[in-house]
Amino acid sequence: EVQLLESGGGLVQPGGSLRLSCAASGFTFSNYAMNWVRQAPGKGLQWISAISGSGGSTDYADSVKGRFTISRDNSKNTLYLQMNSLRAEDTAVYYCAKDYGRVVTAIGDYWGQGTLVTVSS
Amino acid sequence: DIQMTQSPSSLSASVGDRVTITCRASQSISRYLNWYQQKPGKAPNLLIIAASSLQSGVPSRFSGSGSGTDFTLTIGSLQPEDFATYYCQQSYSIPHTFGQGTKLEIK
Repeated sequence: EVQLLESGGGLVQPGGSLRLSCAASGFTFSNYAMNWVRQAPGKGLQWISAISGSGGSTDYADSVKGRFTISRDNSKNTLYLQMNSLRAEDTAVYYCAKDYGRVVTAIGDYWGQGTLVTVSS
Repeated sequence: DIQMTQSPSSLSASVGDRVTITCRASQSISRYLNWYQQKPGKAPNLLIIAASSLQSGVPSRFSGSGSGTDFTLTIGSLQPEDFATYYCQQSYSIPHTFGQGTKLEIK
């Protein structure tokens, strides 16, 4: 059974940093790309980043490019999202999602339960 | 960026009804269109990929169609568990944008 468990969310001040983790199990982690998708309170879904199975290719939405960094440790079956220079508009539930393919398709076929990031002073 | 526009934004229907949700892309995305269902407080669930390919385990009352810029999600006979918010997503180009969502409510 595929399982994705996010952690690392919490309250952070504007301009601060946070690192999210997503622990994966139930599939061969290195064989699949992974995605981060966020959802602001009461709002819709926003795809923000993806990484290939090998980790050699990454993509970002413009809204987070230069501030967020996606990475993965295939030996630990874990996906990360390093978030710097956080802004109030980054407040959201952050989901990790297993990609349908080894290269990024951005199709999330399995999702974690999400972790809430709140950016506020 | 490709804009995805869903209509309607909300919809009231009864159990047993047939409903259709539309998703329009601001430019052609071929068939790179996916549909998700999300229930309150839960993560999204993938229903359909590539415009019309039903994911394993998804009931056959769900179907998708379209290509280019216009797509539809149809639920053949609404069941109580289908009342949720539905999102389309394009996987044609970065950023992989979602529609704003269609909230399907019980009449």
